[in-house]
Amino acid sequence: QQQVKQSPQSLIVQKGGISIINCAYENTAFDYFPWYQQFPGKGPALLIAIRPDVSEKKEGRFTISFNKSAKQFSLHIMDSQPGDSATYFCAASGTGNQFYFGTGTSLTVIP
Amino acid sequence: DTAVSQTPKYLVTQMGNDKSIKCEQNLGHDTMYWYKQDSKKFLKIMFSYNNKELIINETVPNRFSPKSPDKAHLNLHINSLELGDSAVYFCASSQGVAGRTEAFFGQGTRLTVV
Repeated sequence: QQQVKQSPQSLIVQKGGISIINCAYENTAFDYFPWYQQFPGKGPALLIAIRPDVSEKKEGRFTISFNKSAKQFSLHIMDSQPGDSATYFCAASGTGNQFYFGTGTSLTVIP
Repeated sequence: DTAVSQTPKYLVTQMGNDKSIKCEQNLGHDTMYWYKQDSKKFLKIMFSYNNKELIINETVPNRFSPKSPDKAHLNLHINSLELGDSAVYFCASSQGVAGRTEAFFGQGTRLTVV
């Protein structure tokens, strides 16, 4: 059973555009929601994370929007750049002694 | 300095062989994990250890056996390798209780069973 559902599976965006990736979860015990970025041949690396006491967190061009009542959270990448082309994973944790990852979104930013 | 290092980076082996992947973290973290990433890039937890104690053992075949000699190391030994074991295996670590803070991942070990 997939604990965290992620969409879309792939995304193509023009340089300068906004990339939006969405995730949904069911377990209300989750209280930590990180986003990881993975480049080919590398391990995932933390991009930005949020806890449910806030509805939005921004770090540079990256913003997490969190909707606790809908059990959804999303990653927005403003002014997308070719260097942002990577696979993005949302995750959730707070119970179960592990991170539950979404299925990943392959982002391609076209110059 | 590499925070989480895995060796080897690539491993090609024949079916039926036994192999090990080593992982070391120099972050002083209490928790270490093994994740398997399949060809569709899905990340699935295999094991997690907290202070050398096994916390999670997901539905992984008995052929996979983790060993944590100290809290900075978590090695993965695989017996009787099968074609379906081909994947990228990631070691990770985090501070404190498993799943509560940022996880740092190694570069991965690409295992190919032929």
